[in-house]
Amino acid sequence: LAKTTQPISMDSYEGQEVNITCSHNNIATNDYITWYQQFPSQGPRFIIQGYKTKVTNEVASLFIPADRKSSTLSLPRVSLSDTAVYYCLVGALNNAGNNRKLIWGLGTSLAVNP
Amino acid sequence: DTEVTQTPKHLVMGMTNKKSLKCEQHMGHRAMYWYKQKAKKPPELMFVYSYEKLSINESVPSRFSPECPNSSLLNLHLHALQPEDSALYLCASSPSRTGVDQYFGPGTRLLVL
Repeated sequence: LAKTTQPISMDSYEGQEVNITCSHNNIATNDYITWYQQFPSQGPRFIIQGYKTKVTNEVASLFIPADRKSSTLSLPRVSLSDTAVYYCLVGALNNAGNNRKLIWGLGTSLAVNP
Repeated sequence: DTEVTQTPKHLVMGMTNKKSLKCEQHMGHRAMYWYKQKAKKPPELMFVYSYEKLSINESVPSRFSPECPNSSLLNLHLHALQPEDSALYLCASSPSRTGVDQYFGPGTRLLVL
């Protein structure tokens, strides 16, 4: 089963680009990579999802190398309101057998300073 | 409507009480989930319902009993809980079979005394 590893915490300043990397060496063929954002006392919020190469939406980009053993969430020009915990999630619930899992990382606490 | 709602927001119960948590979504999603989240930890999946049928039970103790009355509603019935069950209980729904793109509710903060 895929295990996800991400930094416990990161610090940044307003206006900077932030890159958070998640390691998932045992990713299965049909696993997706997803990132969520969570503010205190709220439910997680879906940010972006990918399978391979690069995905971009209005809030973030997700870079996935060809071997898919890691992924990097890129947040352009962060603001104070981006201070939150960011979770990397690997897996898919429609996979067969023992790969039918969603594996959450422990989360990266991002602090954006003025 | 792109929201998942949960009631109550907060709940305090004794170990002999019976209570229920409720979750509702009107996005037409056919997959719904219950999670438990402890402080500074990621959410832990408890149950998955797909088309109103229980498809995944992550070996959750029987003192937690899920119910899906229809495609929009999900309940979690609680009975004889322990203090270590105190946590944030999150409900989510997803439009896809993969479950990777979930919409979460704000959660119910549960305290068991």
